[in-house]
Amino acid sequence: DGGITQSPKYLFRKEGQNVTLSCEQNLNHDAMYWYRQDPGQGLRLIYYSQIVNDFQKGDIAEGYSVSREKKESFPLTVTSAQKNPTAFYLCASSIDQGGGAMNEQFFGPGTRLTVL
Amino acid sequence: DAKTTQPNSMESNEEEPVHLPCNHSTISGTDYIHWYRQLPSQGPEYVIHGLTSNVNNRMASLAIAEDRKSSTLILHRATLRDAAVYYCILRDEGNTPLVFGKGTRLSVIA
Repeated sequence: DGGITQSPKYLFRKEGQNVTLSCEQNLNHDAMYWYRQDPGQGLRLIYYSQIVNDFQKGDIAEGYSVSREKKESFPLTVTSAQKNPTAFYLCASSIDQGGGAMNEQFFGPGTRLTVL
Repeated sequence: DAKTTQPNSMESNEEEPVHLPCNHSTISGTDYIHWYRQLPSQGPEYVIHGLTSNVNNRMASLAIAEDRKSSTLILHRATLRDAAVYYCILRDEGNTPLVFGKGTRLSVIA
């Protein structure tokens, strides 16, 4: 089935450790995105990539890093510099062949990260 | 991005229609109106989008005011599975990321 995979669903880490969240899509989408969601809040954009080997910072990029070496993969690393890393992390993708404002974003199931 | 305003929460009885409002008084002529919903502990999913005319699909209808300063998402018969947070989002011409507000939390009562 086509879709976006995020693993694991739940992740626990000790404070001070870097952790990498996985995001894979087999939709042949050009653009990929990472969002963070805190309880009772909307989603906030961390990073996005519109093409392989290129990415842009979102509104809350500090303490995070990404790479886009392959079209289907966009891993997010939560570094020890991120002050409040415990949150629900959502990855998304969209096709980018014109029609920009009409393009739908498809979301993965999310990874809930808890830093102890 | 232009801002949208939605009520924090709404409640509906099961099998009754639900009208979820969204105000976007600063919308530009090229902004599309998108609706997404997020079920508990899941990622958001696309519901519907439109530019000027009313739109219908299998999930919902979107009614857009003539001046485009407001819109309404209509669920024709709410079910318990429609309980979610509904986000109204404006998107400009570029393929820019969606910008989410807090949305409207819809509760459906059996």
